[in-house]
This record gives sequence, structure tokens and C-alpha cells, in this order.
Amino acid sequence: DAGVIQSPRHEVTEMGQEVTLRCKPISGHNSLFWYRQTMMRGLELLIYFNNNVPIDDSGMPEDRFSAKMPNASFSTLKIQPSEPRDSAVYFCASSFLYTSAEEQYFGPGTRLTVT
Amino acid sequence: TQLLEQSPQFLSIQEGENLTVYCNSSSVFSSLQWYRQEPGEGPVLLVTVVTGGEVKKLKRLTFQFGDARKDSSLHITAAQPGDTGLYLCAGVVITQGGSEKLVFGKGTKLTVNP
Repeated sequence: DAGVIQSPRHEVTEMGQEVTLRCKPISGHNSLFWYRQTMMRGLELLIYFNNNVPIDDSGMPEDRFSAKMPNASFSTLKIQPSEPRDSAVYFCASSFLYTSAEEQYFGPGTRLTVT
Repeated sequence: TQLLEQSPQFLSIQEGENLTVYCNSSSVFSSLQWYRQEPGEGPVLLVTVVTGGEVKKLKRLTFQFGDARKDSSLHITAAQPGDTGLYLCAGVVITQGGSEKLVFGKGTKLTVNP
């Protein structure tokens, strides 16, 4: 079975541009998580969904960030406008059960560079 | 302030050596997970510990959850180059809104030299 799929794998954009990251979770998984990883702050949870509904978005840095999950097989994380401090690796993860205590399966990540 | 502190931050050893990495917190966790992350990939779950004092073994890796469920350790015996990676611990916390959330430490970057 395919794992979590993320696209693009690498994104380089200029400050002020809109960036959209995409994620396809593992089929049958009910929870989806967006994380950001930097050297300074490590791996941080941005937002997670259960059954396509956002449950906790307290990790979203500011209004420039938004996430959607229109159906069980697709989610997007959008940054508008992007800033250099948004440069990081963004991971999407999914899990089967309705709790973050269960194993989360991570995608390969999207490396975002904002110049 | 990091909820989970991992030490050491970096560790470089020779093949065949033993090592222990630590994950400490002042908070109590209902469960704690260890992940390994290789360059260019996402973290992969190694183990989940739930009971205070619990010890789990995965081949040459031994994981221990502290009695008070505030800390954990990972011991690797006879390390091999394939063990190279970033080792992350993660604990489940309950948010103010009542939902569960996985919080990660910054990790220990292990390099095993042949």
C-alpha cells in the first residue's frame, strides 16, 4: 500500500507569494496531522483533523496559515503571504484511530524555502 | 520552553559501541513514543510505552519508561551504521480544549561510524 503522499517535495518561492502544500493520507485513516520541522524548534504540530474536521489548530503560527481537508483523501496547507521565516520542512502524517496516541505515519515532507 | 528535553543533542560513536539517549520532562505523559528519522524522510515509529517502569526491547534497542511516566531512555547495544538517524521522543498531552496532542522533543542526532 502507498504511504502518505506529499507534494511538492521541494518548493522555492519568493517572499510574499502564496504556497500550497498537498497531502494524501493513507486510505482508511481517519486522522491527519500537519507538522513543521526546523532546527531551532524541532517538530511542531500545526493542526490536525479527525474525520475531515479540524480539531486543534492552536499550533498554526498566524493567520497567514490555513489548512483544509475537503475529503478523506486530500488535505492542503496554504501560506499566504509567505515569509522567509516560514522556511522549514512540512510533514503530513495520518493515523487510523481518533487519537494522537496511536502510531502516526509520516509522509516524506515538503522542504519549503522562502527567499 | 521545550516540554520534552532530549540529550545529548548530537552523538557520534564507532560501530560496536553501546549508547543511551534520554528524554526528560517535568510533565506526566499517558504514553510516550520513540521515532527514528532518516535524512530526507519522515519519522518512523519504533515503540510506544504506556506503563510506568515499562521496558520494551526491539532487537538491539531497549526502551524504558520512567516509573513516574515523566522520562524515558533508549539504549542501543552494539550500534551499527544503519542505526544512524535522528531519534525523537514524543509524549501525548491533553490540550486546554480537551483534545489529545503529540508533542515532540528536538531529538538526538546519532551517527555511527563504520
